[in-house]
Amino acid sequence: DVKVTQSSRYLVKRTGEKVFLECVQDMDHENMFWYRQDPGLGLRLIYFSYDVKMKEKGDIPEGYSVSREKKERFSLILESASTNQTSMYLCASSPPAQGGSEQYFGPGTRLTVT
Amino acid sequence: GQSLEQPSEVTAVEGAIVQINCTYQTSGFYGLSWYQQHDGGAPTFLSYNALDGLEETGRFSSFLSRSDSYGYLLLQELQMKDSASYFCAVKHQGGKLIFGQGTELSVKP
Repeated sequence: DVKVTQSSRYLVKRTGEKVFLECVQDMDHENMFWYRQDPGLGLRLIYFSYDVKMKEKGDIPEGYSVSREKKERFSLILESASTNQTSMYLCASSPPAQGGSEQYFGPGTRLTVT
Repeated sequence: GQSLEQPSEVTAVEGAIVQINCTYQTSGFYGLSWYQQHDGGAPTFLSYNALDGLEETGRFSSFLSRSDSYGYLLLQELQMKDSASYFCAVKHQGGKLIFGQGTELSVKP
């Protein structure tokens, strides 16, 4: 079974803090994605990566950056957390054969910024 | 622009059949995926349609009409455990998915 793990289920941070969200997958997938999920808005893509050291902006990249130094790990960074970044953050991975159509999600990190 | 529309809520009874529709407007369309998400859980992949027609996987089927920019997820023999949110997602050029807002399905006894 594909396993995607995220470093924390719940996180509380203060406005202005730098926040790191970590995601690790164990299936040697090339593609990895970061989404945020808010009620009534579905999942919105923040950043994605097709390979180590590669990154592409998604639909809402403002206020975020990412790092992919190793194939299995994809980190989301909030440079200076703000209250409007309070959300559920979901990481996903997919093999290149699926081209992103079948993604495997981690359990999510519920981030609260106060 | 790009947009997907699906109903926000659907209610059905156990044992019934329910259809969740999804219409989309996007450039660079490659296919339509469906995901299920239980409350507090992670989204899980259900199906993907790249070509027109019906794909069946057990009690779940998914349909796509590219000419109508329309698809649906059909759930048969509904069970209480099917109560969840269901998302359609367009696979866009470049490999990324654009998700709809989700349909909350409530299955009543």
